[in-house]
Amino acid sequence: AQSVTQLDSHVSVSEGTPVLLRCNYSSSYSPSLFWYVQHPNKGLQLLLKYTSAATLVKGINGFEAEFKKSETSFHLTKPSAHMSDAAEYFCVVSGMVGTYKYIFGTGTRLKVLA
Amino acid sequence: EAGVAQSPRYKIIEKRQSVAFWCNPISGHATLYWYQQILGQGPKLLIQFQNNGVVDDSQLPKDRFSAERLKGVDSTLKIQPAKLEDSAVYLCASSFLSSPLHFGNGTRLTVT
Repeated sequence: AQSVTQLDSHVSVSEGTPVLLRCNYSSSYSPSLFWYVQHPNKGLQLLLKYTSAATLVKGINGFEAEFKKSETSFHLTKPSAHMSDAAEYFCVVSGMVGTYKYIFGTGTRLKVLA
Repeated sequence: EAGVAQSPRYKIIEKRQSVAFWCNPISGHATLYWYQQILGQGPKLLIQFQNNGVVDDSQLPKDRFSAERLKGVDSTLKIQPAKLEDSAVYLCASSFLSSPLHFGNGTRLTVT
């Protein structure tokens, strides 16, 4: 079975400071992992994906995530937050269970303070 | 490439009325998903199609929700009759094999 846990429902950072959004996963086989961002009244946009290649994955808008199998984690980071980063972020695990299944975390709302 | 198209963007109905949402996936994407996203929660899968066949509808409330994808392209999700707790954003997504999901902008449903 697959599952994903986002450890923080809300994160607040000051503009220009680092961002860390935490995600732990559970999977009985090698998973694919994704981070999506959702701005208000918008659909979900893919930030980055991990599919068993390099463990450090770079995405759009300066975000990156590191896959750590020993810790079953896939935390999202950004060196310097921008006001436009304020949004909801979802960690997603996927795998083949008959067909491709995508399991969403409950989301982390990022607030960026001026 | 054109993205996933959904309509309408917003819908307000009274409880016990019916409503339908439409989705047109990215061309060539065989798999289509309908998700329900209640305010403050992550998306929950309602139904998954592979071409025009259903592969997972285990979380679809079948007494009131129905969905179809007759020609393996666009899809319609219907609620009849609606309840207050159906107020949510309904997201359509599509994918090709193991590619990431591509989402539409969603339909925000308010049931009064």
